Amino acid sequence: KTQVEQSPQSLVVRQGENCVLQCNYSVTPDNHLRWFKQDTGKGLVSLTVLVDQKDKTSNGRYSATLDKDAKHSTLHITATLLDDTATYICVVGDRGSALGRLHFGAGTQLIVIP
Amino acid sequence: DMKVTQMPRYLIKRMGENVLLECGQDMSHETMYWYRQDPGLGLQLIYISYDVDSNSEGDIPKGYRVSRKKREHFSLILDSAKTNQTSVYFCASSLSGQSNERLFFGHGTKLSVL
Repeated sequence: KTQVEQSPQSLVVRQGENCVLQCNYSVTPDNHLRWFKQDTGKGLVSLTVLVDQKDKTSNGRYSATLDKDAKHSTLHITATLLDDTATYICVVGDRGSALGRLHFGAGTQLIVIP
Repeated sequence: DMKVTQMPRYLIKRMGENVLLECGQDMSHETMYWYRQDPGLGLQLIYISYDVDSNSEGDIPKGYRVSRKKREHFSLILDSAKTNQTSVYFCASSLSGQSNERLFFGHGTKLSVL
């Protein structure tokens, strides 16, 4: 059973618009949550990591929130650029140790058009 | 240079042939991983290597084996490839295998088994 659900599955926005990607999960325990960006035909690149019970992070035009009570995270992209076209993957780590496992979502495909 | 390099980028094999996927990293990371990525699914862990000759099965090890004779190099081997092993394979590394550490990914190897 999928433990990390991302929505929407795909999203098209115009350059300059803002967008919000959602991640809901059932992983227990939930030590941390990380967002990755995957360009077409490339590997995953870490954007941000969230750790606290209610956490917020900011990395340039990317900002993210985590609510562990709701088991929910959002990734906000402000003033999108054409280079933001990619798949964004939510990953939940169940422990902060070497015994921990990472649980990957299937991703949201974002397409930014001119 | 902080890089994970995978070879080859693309590979076509016939069912029953042996397959060797290679991965190298230049960060002296202890831990390396092999994942596969299929459409609509999150990345699935095949094997973890905690150091030279210290390998553990992941979630889907059946049909695969690995070899790690040098810290910087981790190979994935498919003995007698099957058509359902057609996928994109990603190698990753992290410093010491703590699940909340940053993961560095290669660009992937797209394998087609005919």
